[in-house]
Amino acid sequence: DAMVIQNPRYQVTQFGKPVTLSCSQTLNHNVMYWYQQKSSQAPKLLFHYYDKDFNNEADTPDNFQSRRPNTSFCFLDIRSPGLGDAAMYLCATRELAASYEQYFGPGTRLTVT
Amino acid sequence: GNSVTQMEGPVTLSEEAFLTINCTYTATGYPSLFWYVQYPGEGLQLLLKATKADDKGSNKGFEATYRKETTSFHLEKGSVQVSDSAVYFCALLVGDMRFGAGTRLTVKP
Repeated sequence: DAMVIQNPRYQVTQFGKPVTLSCSQTLNHNVMYWYQQKSSQAPKLLFHYYDKDFNNEADTPDNFQSRRPNTSFCFLDIRSPGLGDAAMYLCATRELAASYEQYFGPGTRLTVT
Repeated sequence: GNSVTQMEGPVTLSEEAFLTINCTYTATGYPSLFWYVQYPGEGLQLLLKATKADDKGSNKGFEATYRKETTSFHLEKGSVQVSDSAVYFCALLVGDMRFGAGTRLTVKP
């Protein structure tokens, strides 16, 4: 009964080649988050959507974009991946005002060659 | 600003030893506090939470008490198992979630 699903689990891309990571949820939560995590460091929030409202963290590079076409799906687009973008990307959801908890997906590990 | 400071690792224990991982926080307002666990190659799983002062969160033998006077939320377990080997993250929620740097725990048989 997966609630937050991320595809693919492992993604290899070439330096500079655009890549899209996918997240879907069956929880019908109104908030979806994207985090970047490097080498078991603290996850770093990139941006989040509250419904259709996009909220970008101030230090998120322009190279990172996101789309949320509907409640269930959210995409992370990396326009020109660099070697420094290799990381685990975590998607999380939350129902704002109903729960304090964020529900995390299993993550997508991105390798840049 | 809001931030979390947790004990640096790695921590290595023998099976059945007592575990404490320290976590302190700085926050405006009244945060909710969490411990997440991350097993190798996986995402974060919520281990336990506390939403107000003096609340105790507990799960799978792990406990943490929300101490407002010391701004702490230390994680404890009386007897660790090899299967507890993972990275543990303390986090607070005031608006957005803020994570500590993580503490890697290795439990040896």
